[in-house]
Amino acid sequence: GQNIDQPTEMTATEGAIVQINCTYQTSGFNGLFWYQQHAGEAPTFLSYNVLDGLEEKGRFSSFLSRSKGYSYLLLKELQMKDSASYLCAVRDDGSNYQLIWGAGTKLIIKP
Amino acid sequence: GAVVSQHPSWVICKSGTSVKIECRSLDFQATTMFWYRQFPKQSLMLMATSNEGSKATYEQGVEKDKFLINHASLTLSTLTVTSAHPEDSSFYICSAYPNYGYTFGSGTRLTVV
Repeated sequence: GQNIDQPTEMTATEGAIVQINCTYQTSGFNGLFWYQQHAGEAPTFLSYNVLDGLEEKGRFSSFLSRSKGYSYLLLKELQMKDSASYLCAVRDDGSNYQLIWGAGTKLIIKP
Repeated sequence: GAVVSQHPSWVICKSGTSVKIECRSLDFQATTMFWYRQFPKQSLMLMATSNEGSKATYEQGVEKDKFLINHASLTLSTLTVTSAHPEDSSFYICSAYPNYGYTFGSGTRLTVV
């Protein structure tokens, strides 16, 4: 079956670094996405990985290992505004470009 | 960048009435629109996938006669919650696929009283 796992909640300190892991088991693979969602708002796109390796974009980086079915989102120099849920999603090889979503990781930033 | 405009942002309706939610792609053509529902502290749940000019594909457990989806043009898709009940209260979000970074509408908070 299709399954995406990520931790339910994480806590980190302002200014620090945090890594949010995501493991997936899907029938196919055509890219992995990370989204940020603040409470009561729609998700916003953070990153996209389709090949193995690290993609860096400012304070955020995302890593993918297709052989291990594993990804992580790395957030550096944490700011209070980074407190949000982080959603991992995989696009399988199915039609219509549907995404399979993880349950999300709630990140709490403490001063 | 690609923008999806979703209206209304929030709506309160009486039980038994119908509510229509609109999603418009402002600067691109949305051949496909995904409709999600999200309950508090839960992840996105795909309700249906609509393709312009054809019938929507509903996920298992989603009543197609209750959640009517219309995608009559490349820039407009609508979701109508018919005969709404309090258990339909949720956050409804649409998403389109203009490029590899799926674009989301701002969401509609529906409260049925």
